Amino acid sequence: AQSVTQLDSHVSVSEGTPVLLRCNYSSSYSPSLFWYVQHPNKGLQLLLKYTSAATLVKGINGFEAEFKKSETSFHLTKPSAHMSDAAEYFCVVSEGDKLIFGTGTRLQVFP
Amino acid sequence: GAVVSQHPSWVICKSGTSVKIECRSLDFQATTMFWYRQFPKQSLMLMATSNEGSKATYEQGVEKDKFLINHASLTLSTLTVTSAHPEDSSFYICSSSEGTGQPYEQYFGPGTRLTVT
Repeated sequence: AQSVTQLDSHVSVSEGTPVLLRCNYSSSYSPSLFWYVQHPNKGLQLLLKYTSAATLVKGINGFEAEFKKSETSFHLTKPSAHMSDAAEYFCVVSEGDKLIFGTGTRLQVFP
Repeated sequence: GAVVSQHPSWVICKSGTSVKIECRSLDFQATTMFWYRQFPKQSLMLMATSNEGSKATYEQGVEKDKFLINHASLTLSTLTVTSAHPEDSSFYICSSSEGTGQPYEQYFGPGTRLTVT
């Protein structure tokens, strides 16, 4: 079975500094991986997805993630955090039609 | 992106009663809809997958007689929590997709918070 592990339940950064949200996956074959963001009272929004094309995936709002097979990682990064980035972030792997969610990382951004 | 709505956004009900949650895809035809459950500070757990006009497929450990899912049209799916108990209190989220597998994306609703007293 496929799974993802988000290594940090909570990350705090100052506005304007880089963001790193870590995710490791477990898969017996080449996975499809996603990052979703959940803002309060809003639906989950897809930030980016990896589906065995380019290993560096660019998403919305300046986020990007790199698929590293040797490290079984798919970390999410952003060069400069904005206050509006404060939210819950989920690393997700697909298993057929199903999405398997990580436990989430809450990102706090301080002014 | 596609818009999915849920109604109500929050509901409080008494133990033993039933409550219905609606999930609507507003601007596309949702061949497949998914229902998730999210406990506080935890991840989303898939409860069931439903295709329009057919019975839902429930995940292991989810009671199909307790969580009734109806997907009668391409824009509407409902989840009914029957004989609710306090342990059913949770955040329920639906998602909709135009198809199954790649390249179809799931579009998520804003969720419904259920509190059973």
